[in-house]
Amino acid sequence: GENVEQHPSTLSVQEGDSAVIKCTYSDSASNYFPWYKQELGKGPQLIIDIRSNVGEKKDQRIAVTLNKTAKHFSLHITETQPEDSAVYFCATHTGNQFYFGTGTSLTVIP
Amino acid sequence: DTGVSQNPRHKITKRGQNVTFRCDPISEHNRLYWYRQTLGQGPEFLTYFQNEAQLEKSRLLSDRFSAERPKGSFSTLEIQRTEQGDSAMYLCASSLEAVWSKAQPQHFGDGTRLSIL
Repeated sequence: GENVEQHPSTLSVQEGDSAVIKCTYSDSASNYFPWYKQELGKGPQLIIDIRSNVGEKKDQRIAVTLNKTAKHFSLHITETQPEDSAVYFCATHTGNQFYFGTGTSLTVIP
Repeated sequence: DTGVSQNPRHKITKRGQNVTFRCDPISEHNRLYWYRQTLGQGPEFLTYFQNEAQLEKSRLLSDRFSAERPKGSFSTLEIQRTEQGDSAMYLCASSLEAVWSKAQPQHFGDGTRLSIL
């Protein structure tokens, strides 16, 4: 089965700085890569996704890059704000299932 | 779009009791997924439905767990003879059916937190 590794597990940044979270995966058949933000007591919320035929996608302060050859993808958050503080999960999709990383707890210090 | 709704939000029960959770997906979504999430971990796949058919089950889903989606709308997840290790957040997600093998975005509910005493 798919193995998704996510780093770092915790990340603290000053407000206004950028944050980068990286994930690697093992199954070359994976073709869809969503990122989720989970706040305390809530379910994961989809924030951005990318498909395997695209190398980069951007939505305002959030961007995702994908390197299919190296089997890794990254989430980039620019101009971080305190409300960005949450746990972020990467995921992959292959064979009708989604596989999630172990999460990154992001703290944005005002 | 009212989002994915899960009930109850919290459930506390004694070991050995049976519990049932309900998930109401986004109305036009024909795929429904159940996940389990423990502290410090990402969601782990349990099972999924396409309409009323349960198409895939994880090895995590022991015979004490059963899920149904009788009319292709809401779904229930039942755990029989609960054990301490069942304590977790149970998440439901829904999506449209994959198109040309392309996965469609999943949308999660806020989960049911199960605590076994």
